[in-house]
Amino acid sequence: EAGVAQSPRYKIIEKRQSVAFWCNPISGHATLYWYQQILGQGPKLLIQFQNNGVVDDSQLPKDRFSAERLKGVDSTLKIQPAKLEDSAVYLCASSRAGQLNTEAFFGQGTRLTVV
Amino acid sequence: QKEVEQNSGPLSVPEGAIASLNCTYSDRGSQSFFWYRQYSGKSPELIMSIYSNGDKEDGRFTAQLNKASQYVSLLIRDSQPSDSATYLCAVKGAGNQFYFGTGTSLTVIP
Repeated sequence: EAGVAQSPRYKIIEKRQSVAFWCNPISGHATLYWYQQILGQGPKLLIQFQNNGVVDDSQLPKDRFSAERLKGVDSTLKIQPAKLEDSAVYLCASSRAGQLNTEAFFGQGTRLTVV
Repeated sequence: QKEVEQNSGPLSVPEGAIASLNCTYSDRGSQSFFWYRQYSGKSPELIMSIYSNGDKEDGRFTAQLNKASQYVSLLIRDSQPSDSATYLCAVKGAGNQFYFGTGTSLTVIP
C-alpha cells in the first residue's frame, strides 16, 4: 500500500512570494489533514477535509493560506503572500473516515524556508 | 484548538532504564489517544493507540489512560539508544481531528 505522498520536499522562497504544496493521501482515506510544524513544536492542525468538504479550518490563517481538495482525493495548500514566520514543515496526513480508533498516516512533509 | 500538554523535557535516561512520558488533555469528550514517535527530520509514526481506561502493552511499550484525570502516559521499558526521538501525544476529537502536544524529547544514553 502506497503511503501519503507530498511534494516538493523542500522549498525556499522570499517573503511576500507565493508557494503551493501538494498531497496525495493513501487510497481510500476520506479524511485528509494539513499540519504546520514549527521547529521544536508539535504539529498544529491547519485544515481537515472529509472527502472534498472542509470539516475544520479554525486554525488556518485565511488571509494568506488556502487549501482545496476538489475531487476528494489529492489536495493543495497555498500560501500567498508568505511571511518569515511561515517557515516550518508542512505535513499532510490521511486516515479512514468515521472510525475513532483509526490512526493518521503522515507524508514526509515539505520543509519551507522563507527568507 | 483543544489543549494537549506534555512534560517539556528534554528527558535523558540511561540505556536499559524505563522512560516515562506524560500527557494531559482538556477535552473531556475525547475518546481516542495516540503516541507518535518522530525522529529528527522525519515525520511522526504511530507507536501505540489506546481507547479504554487502564494499561495497554505492546512489546517494550505500555500506554496508560485515565479518562477521569484526563491523563495519558507512555512507558518505555529497557530503553535503547534507538528510542532517542521526540514523542508526540495525540488526542482525537469528536470530529476526527488529531490534536498534538508539543512533544517530549527523549535521549537514551548508552
